Amino acid sequence: AQRVTQPEKLLSVFKGAPVELKCNYSYSGSPELFWYVQYSRQRLQLLLRHISRESIKGFTADLNKGETSFHLKKPFAQEEDSAMYYCALSTYDKVIFGPGTSLSVIP
Amino acid sequence: DTAVSQTPKYLVTQMGNDKSIKCEQNLGHDTMYWYKQDSKKFLKIMFSYNNKELIINETVPNRFSPKSPDKAHLNLHINSLELGDSAVYFCASSRAGGGDTQYFGPGTRLTVL
Repeated sequence: AQRVTQPEKLLSVFKGAPVELKCNYSYSGSPELFWYVQYSRQRLQLLLRHISRESIKGFTADLNKGETSFHLKKPFAQEEDSAMYYCALSTYDKVIFGPGTSLSVIP
Repeated sequence: DTAVSQTPKYLVTQMGNDKSIKCEQNLGHDTMYWYKQDSKKFLKIMFSYNNKELIINETVPNRFSPKSPDKAHLNLHINSLELGDSAVYFCASSRAGGGDTQYFGPGTRLTVL
């Protein structure tokens, strides 16, 4: 069965420190993976998707098929990065979101 | 130019009532979705509609019914509201089905008293 896990419910880092939000998935086919972000009291929005291989707001994510992971990384956290982050797996007929990780960047 | 809009933004109602939430997208997308976000911020897909056909229904009680009058609208009707229905409901759309980026509405915060 398809599944997305994000082991950290809450993650706190200091401003300027590196940050990594973990995401693991289970899917037998070729996955489409996304990171969505929800800032306080705002709508969810796409942060990045693995197929585009872009860096958005300094964040990058690499798909590791061997480890079935799609971890989100940023070398230097900023206060405005504080938000809820969702990893999502998309198949041809379904979208599955992970439980989310709340990132708090301490000034 | 709001891409995905929902009304109302807030909805407070009594148990047992029937209510609707409206969603509209002006992106020309073929697929629309409804999600429920609970108090722990867990996001769960409820329905998706592709060209007026329901293609996903994730074990949602039949008190919830999506209605799509046309490709740009997907409304959510809820009958006999229960306390546990209190949540934030997000509408979303994507160009096609799975694999495409989802564009979310601002959410409707439903409170059942």
